[in-house]
Amino acid sequence: DIQMTQSPSSLSASVGDRVTITCRASQTVTNFLNWYQQKPGTAPRLLIYGALNLQSGVPSRFSGSGSGTDFTLTIVSLQPEDFATYFCQQSYSIPFTFGPGTKVDGK
Amino acid sequence: QVQLQESGPGLVKPSETLSLTCSVSGGSIGGSTSTYYWNWIRQPPGMGLEWIAYVYSTASTNYNPSLESRVSISKDPSKNQFSLRLRSVNAADTAIYYCARSRASDRGSFEIWGRGTVVTVSS
Repeated sequence: DIQMTQSPSSLSASVGDRVTITCRASQTVTNFLNWYQQKPGTAPRLLIYGALNLQSGVPSRFSGSGSGTDFTLTIVSLQPEDFATYFCQQSYSIPFTFGPGTKVDGK
Repeated sequence: QVQLQESGPGLVKPSETLSLTCSVSGGSIGGSTSTYYWNWIRQPPGMGLEWIAYVYSTASTNYNPSLESRVSISKDPSKNQFSLRLRSVNAADTAIYYCARSRASDRGSFEIWGRGTVVTVSS
């Protein structure tokens, strides 16, 4: 199985901050890397697919980059509704695997 | 738009079989014009996400090797539903179970999710 790691595991930020979350795969996933947002009590929501493609309806303040084994999710100006947990996930090979998550909360 | 809704028993006894159903509305689950994968994913309390299985529009399937010996997935186009069966459950199977749709262009990118159904394994 491909192991996914994320850093940091949690971070505290303020509205308007630029937030960066990194994800690393234990082997190459080319560009088959997705990012999800999850708020308490709700299902995950797809934000970014194919490492850098914004899912329909997702605000443009979210962006993704990277390829191979190292990836980044950036929120350019954090909004109140962005406090949540973020997961990366590889869709390169079965079994599809998720990172452990990064919790973004307020300072 | 397409919506997914999980249904299940809520509580299952150890060693029994868990059966879950995902009802799809706003779109067809089967047929030659449907090019989607239909997935089950779970999340134990306070923990991360685990992909379980998918069934394609053609009814081909694929499973997480860690669960493959106990799980089966199927679809019923006549009801526009797909289902999961997990045999010999134990406490480690306690989780929120989600159904989700992914595209043929990226079978592992889960673009639409149901709200999830809570399953507790306990005697």
